[in-house]
Amino acid sequence: EIVLTQSPGTLSLSPGERATLSCRASQSVSSSYLAWYQQKPGQAPRLLIYGASSRATGIPDRFSGSGSGTDFALTISRLEPEDFAVYYCHQYGNSPWTFGQGTKVGIK
Amino acid sequence: EVQLVESGGGLIKPGGSLRLSCAASGFTFSRHSINWVRQAPGKGLEWVSSISSSSTYISYADSVKGRFTISRDNAKNSLYLQMNSLTAEDTAVYYCARVSDNGHYTYDYWGQGTLVTVSS
Repeated sequence: EIVLTQSPGTLSLSPGERATLSCRASQSVSSSYLAWYQQKPGQAPRLLIYGASSRATGIPDRFSGSGSGTDFALTISRLEPEDFAVYYCHQYGNSPWTFGQGTKVGIK
Repeated sequence: EVQLVESGGGLIKPGGSLRLSCAASGFTFSRHSINWVRQAPGKGLEWVSSISSSSTYISYADSVKGRFTISRDNAKNSLYLQMNSLTAEDTAVYYCARVSDNGHYTYDYWGQGTLVTVSS
């Protein structure tokens, strides 16, 4: 099973700042089959990024994904008030599909 | 509009059984794999089970294998999860999630979730 470790656990930033979230895999993720989801309290997750760097439908271009192999990142170029949430990485290259433990982006 | 609506959650005693349902609308249900993903209170996401569009391929997380059974009825646009021998560790919000049709096994639509609480 591929274990995904996200860092930091919590990120405290102000609106307008840049956020960089990390996701490290315990072994190489096949074909960059890595996704990122955003989850707000009381809501279901929302798909942001798939294939490590492709934005899902309707996702603003301030969200970008990068990386390959075992190291991946999600960058939010300028935080908007609605971006404060928990973010999860997810690998779907090797069964069982696994998620990271999440990074909370909070308001400073 | 794509919609996934889960139902069937509730309070159940350890060792009990529960059947969750997920009603789909707004898309061609029979063309998509659907998964169950759960989230324990205050915790992260955990994949539970997958079923392909025609039920040919089914898989389970080790944590539920032998206790949970996933199924679907394409004529009724519905997905099910039969959960037996429930333990406190199964307490979670259970989401059904549609697998994208772009060649990536990601979840492009999710239901609102149904809460399962296993407690005596």
